[in-house]
Parts: sequence; C-alpha cells; structure tokens
Amino acid sequence: KNEVEQSPQNLTAQEGEFITINCSYSVGISALHWLQQHPGGGIVSLFMLSSGKKKHGRLIATINIQEKHSSLHITASHPRDSAVYICAVTNTGNQFYFGTGTSLTVIP
Amino acid sequence: NAGVMQNPRHLVRRRGQEARLRCSPMKGHSHVYWYRQLPEEGLKFMVYLQKENIIDESGMPKERFSAEFPKEGPSILRIQQVVRGDSAAYFCASSPLPGVAANEQFFGPGTRLTVL
Repeated sequence: KNEVEQSPQNLTAQEGEFITINCSYSVGISALHWLQQHPGGGIVSLFMLSSGKKKHGRLIATINIQEKHSSLHITASHPRDSAVYICAVTNTGNQFYFGTGTSLTVIP
Repeated sequence: NAGVMQNPRHLVRRRGQEARLRCSPMKGHSHVYWYRQLPEEGLKFMVYLQKENIIDESGMPKERFSAEFPKEGPSILRIQQVVRGDSAAYFCASSPLPGVAANEQFFGPGTRLTVL
C-alpha cells in the first residue's frame, strides 16, 4: 500500500465546473505538497501546507491533520487546468513520498 | 532570475553506457533534490544534496547511481552501465533553505533518459 493515495485517478470535467481532488496519507508528516505536471512533463509546485487552508487564485488546498487528508479544489475550471495533479508528503524524517497523480481533463 | 535548469532535456544511451544528468539550481539556492519518474508511475525521491554534501540518499539505488553537488558548477546525477529499466524522467528541484519540508521546491523541466 502506498504511503500517499490520491483519488480519483482520472477526472474529466466541463469548463466552469468545481473540481475536487483528494489525497490521503498514512505517515506522520511535516508538510504536504500539491504539484502540477503539464503535458510535456514540467512540474510546478502549487502549495505547501502543514495545517489549515491556502488559496491561490482559483486554487484552494486544505489539510486535516487528524484525518490525514488533504483536498485540492479548482473553482471555475478551465481547459488550461488540464494536467496531472500530484500530492506529496514529507514525513518527520524528511522522507518524501508521492501519490501517483490525478489526471484532469477540462473540456471546453 | 532563471529557474532550475536541467540538461540535457533528452538523453539516449545504449545499455552499458554511462548517463550524466546535470542540474543547475536557481540562483541563491544551495539545496538540490533529484527525483525519478518511471513510465506510468509516480515520482520517487532519490537524493538530497547540499553544496559538497549528500544529506539523504535513501532513495538512490545502491549500485550504479551516484550524485554530487560540487562547490562550483551544477549538480550531477551519474548512472553507470545503464540498463533498460533506468529509462525514466529525472527531475531536479532546488530550494534556498535546508530541509525538504522547510520550504517550497522549484522543479526543473526534467531529463528524459531512454536506454536502448
């Protein structure tokens, strides 16, 4: 079983829809990261959080430490949001674990 | 301020050859991390380096793989005697402060290694 599990694995949405991607982890963590990987492979770090909630534009990330769960929300989705979204955690020993990613396609 | 640079972007090697992947961190960043993404799999941590020091190499295969980050110049990930299973995308990231969890990492574009 992976230390980090994401759901769904694949997601197709209509432009404008509200999108949620979930991440559950099984290790004690120092921080949780949400990354975006576009077709062609470049990776961008979207958020790093250890508690509460962060917002950047149309993206919102939340984390519940007690439940070992995080969500990434995209409001008013757009075709340019199409990418793979990766959840990663660092445990208290600074080990880095990645989920396998959620492939999002937003249709115009 | 240029981002993290990796070269080459694509590298083709025959089995048994050596592969050398380079990573130049962002200006002012002294911490470098290497990750591997096998086809159809997620990213996996390989090694965390500071200038002239390996901090954590727990994700590196014990044989054929080595990494360095000299005082001057880029970080190098070296794979000796490559095999087909080494074919993957190798990403480098850098951060300005110590500790993987301490701060945001900035990723390079990756090097795609193909072993024939």
